[in-house]
Amino acid sequence: DIVMTQSPDSLAVSLGERATINCKSSQSLLYGSNNKNYLAWYQHKPGQPPKLLIYWASTRESGVPDRFSGSGSGTDFTLTISSLLPEDVAVYYCHQYHSTPHTFGQGTKLEIK
Amino acid sequence: QVHLVESGGGVVQPGRSLRLSCVASGLTFSTSGMHWVRQAPGKGLEWVAGIWYDGGTGYYADSVKGRFTISRDNSKNTLYLQMNSLRAEDMAVYYCAGTITGDGHSWFDPWGQGTLVIVSS
Repeated sequence: DIVMTQSPDSLAVSLGERATINCKSSQSLLYGSNNKNYLAWYQHKPGQPPKLLIYWASTRESGVPDRFSGSGSGTDFTLTISSLLPEDVAVYYCHQYHSTPHTFGQGTKLEIK
Repeated sequence: QVHLVESGGGVVQPGRSLRLSCVASGLTFSTSGMHWVRQAPGKGLEWVAGIWYDGGTGYYADSVKGRFTISRDNSKNTLYLQMNSLRAEDMAVYYCAGTITGDGHSWFDPWGQGTLVIVSS
């Protein structure tokens, strides 16, 4: 199984500042046949279902604000929120869909400093 | 607008069974791979099971293999999760989620609102 490890487990950032969440996979998520990284990012708020933010490691889902961006390739990935807003408080998860079983990172709790 | 609505959750004793359902609307259900994902209290997201668009192939997390069965009825736009021999560690909010590929080999979107399963004597 591919193990997904996020860092940090929790993060406190001031409003308007940048938040960076890292995700490392135990195997490469880059598929050679299409040169795509099989990684997604979700935002999860209490009482709501997870919300897709990013897929193919860096493609922003329609309607997601452009302050959210994804980067990385192979085994190392990053979700960046360029300027934190109050509504960004949530738990963020990375998810690999390269191989079965699908696996998630343990989550990163983002709070306001 | 795409909607997934789960039902069937509730309180069940250890060792007993429960069947979850997920009805899809606004989604080309019959061509979409589908999944179940759960979140135990205070824990993160855990993938549970997935199924191909035609129901021909299902696959499972090791933690539920042999106890849970995923199935679908495309004529009813409905996904199911039959859960047998339930354990305390199966207690969670269960979400159904759709994908854009027939084999379910993609990101999860959309998601249902979730249904709570409580395993307790």
